Amino acid sequence: DAKTTQPPSMDCAEGRAANLPCNHSTISGNEYVYWYRQIHSQGPQYIIHGLKNNETNEMASLIITEDRKSSTLILPHATLRDTAVYYCIVAGLTGGGNKLTFGTGTQLKVEL
Amino acid sequence: KAGVTQTPRYLIKTRGQQVTLSCSPISGHRSVSWYQQTPGQGLQFLFEYFSETQRNKGNFPGRFSGRQFSNSRSEMNVSTLELGDSALYLCASSLDRTYEQYFGPGTRLTVT
Repeated sequence: DAKTTQPPSMDCAEGRAANLPCNHSTISGNEYVYWYRQIHSQGPQYIIHGLKNNETNEMASLIITEDRKSSTLILPHATLRDTAVYYCIVAGLTGGGNKLTFGTGTQLKVEL
Repeated sequence: KAGVTQTPRYLIKTRGQQVTLSCSPISGHRSVSWYQQTPGQGLQFLFEYFSETQRNKGNFPGRFSGRQFSNSRSEMNVSTLELGDSALYLCASSLDRTYEQYFGPGTRLTVT
């Protein structure tokens, strides 16, 4: 699976959009981009995933660049409850299995 | 739909003992994965079970083992506990052929 690079920390004002970047320059054609978050001491929570088109769900939007070498997770109106570590994971379905490889993620702090 | 449940939530054991942790997946999910989370190593994949068979294994010693039952419930066992096994052990379930995993709250194991 391709390696990802994320900033270690970011701050965001409550009510503003939080834009979390992720670089995955070695991503291959059959690999998806997944985003998870982990609120302190809880299990990780699935947010969204995409292959090459932009995706949106009730939690967030995922913007993937045309060359697929980077992506941005957007939380449109961040709240204090969005304070968490956000993980960007690149994974393909070759070889079977559902193994997730977590990096160090981005600690997002939402403040008043 | 009920989420992933893990028992017990907290556990204190002594070096040299063994421990068994239990995970009940979301109804209909046949894939169960286990992860270890420590401050030093982050989230690391232990193993994945699908239809009672271990399908993927992480880089952990043989003291770590698991199994899955016909109802998809899973257990993991750690024998001859070491201080370094103190961690949050997370279980995640999913449908097959997807990295959209749903995590339980974890079992916090402390080895003294």
